[in-house]
Amino acid sequence: DTEVTQTPKHLVMGMTNKKSLKCEQHMGHRAMYWYKQKAKKPPELMFVYSYEKLSINESVPSRFSPECPNSSLLNLHLHALQPEDSALYLCASSQAGRVRYEQYFGPGTRLTVT
Amino acid sequence: GQNIDQPTEMTATEGAIVQINCTYQTSGFNGLFWYQQHAGEAPTFLSYNVLDGLEEKGRFSSFLSRSKGYSYLLLKELQMKDSASYLCAALGTGANNLFFGTGTRLTVIP
Repeated sequence: DTEVTQTPKHLVMGMTNKKSLKCEQHMGHRAMYWYKQKAKKPPELMFVYSYEKLSINESVPSRFSPECPNSSLLNLHLHALQPEDSALYLCASSQAGRVRYEQYFGPGTRLTVT
Repeated sequence: GQNIDQPTEMTATEGAIVQINCTYQTSGFNGLFWYQQHAGEAPTFLSYNVLDGLEEKGRFSSFLSRSKGYSYLLLKELQMKDSASYLCAALGTGANNLFFGTGTRLTVIP
């Protein structure tokens, strides 16, 4: 199984809503990532979890709150978002602590904030 | 700081060969990745280079020169389905810190 799954595929939320994005992988990867991608732009790294601990937080606003409940799951909790947060949110996973760090990406959640 | 440059757009003819260049500057270096991304889809892994030289994988090859901070992706026998964005990404000193270039949008024409 080389698949990273993400739910939901699409999400529309108001600025006062609270929602969560979910990501799951069963490849035994111990590093998981959240990226944000705007149209016609490259993915931008938001968070990295390594062995279920947050190892990188790229100065992301606190309205985005990541959570890694176990080695297979990664959540991104959203609260009080702004319209400019509308984007494709990609989850990825990889081996941790190995020479080759190929990342496998999920299909993404397309988020629209109204 | 990190800086990764690649051309924004390229057009090539079906059956031809195209080379997509990438130059990079990173704090530390642990390898160079190429990903393919079709519109509206997730990036998919194409290649990884950490040593100088050419890595060939079917119709796709990737080259790295660490001393020049330079890589290219070579696509042979182009097919229409190769129309996509090609992302160059460099791995910095952090074990999982991957920096993406802006991507090259390749259009293959008949």
